[in-house]
Amino acid sequence: EAQVTQNPRYLITVTGKKLTVTCSQNMNHEYMSWYRQDPGLGLRQIYYSMNVEVTDKGDVPEGYKVSRKEKRNFPLILESPSPNQTSLYFCASSFIGTGPYNEQFFGPGTRLTVL
Amino acid sequence: TQLLEQSPQFLSIQEGENLTVYCNSSSVFSSLQWYRQEPGEGPVLLVTVVTGGEVKKLKRLTFQFGDARKDSSLHITAAQPGDTGLYLCAGPLDSGTYKYIFGTGTRLKVLA
Repeated sequence: EAQVTQNPRYLITVTGKKLTVTCSQNMNHEYMSWYRQDPGLGLRQIYYSMNVEVTDKGDVPEGYKVSRKEKRNFPLILESPSPNQTSLYFCASSFIGTGPYNEQFFGPGTRLTVL
Repeated sequence: TQLLEQSPQFLSIQEGENLTVYCNSSSVFSSLQWYRQEPGEGPVLLVTVVTGGEVKKLKRLTFQFGDARKDSSLHITAAQPGDTGLYLCAGPLDSGTYKYIFGTGTRLKVLA
């Protein structure tokens, strides 16, 4: 089944404790992206990647790191989480076609709480 | 600064009613997408509009892209409880970029 998987689905942690949220897709998509979703703000893009070893900042990259060592994986790293990073996080992937309007496939989300 | 404003934020209607959701911006977009998100899941693409003035239909859903490509609307005819969800518009921040922005969302509840 074609899908984007994220782990963990739920995470409660404390301020300053490094964490990684994994994202994997099995559709051979070049493009992968991370978003956070907060009430009243919609989804905001954190980082995106056009291909292996190619990443770029989205709208709200501060406090986050990403890496793209393999095409299928795009982990999100919070080196020193803070309470304002409590949010619902989504990973997405898509093919890169003739224009930046290809369908993004989203994972099920990771609900992160930082105490 | 939110570049894509959606209205209304919340909408609760009876089954069978019609409704329109708006997505507005002061910026020109090369394309706009509409997604629907259900509780506990990620957004799912409904449609992409590319050409100014374009109208696309998906069963009871009609999507329109403004002539100036600064706004879009989603009209649902004879809403059903299965239409309940969060509707999001989205588009590339700059033409040719893969930096995306999403609207603030419209939460629709259709009562049986």
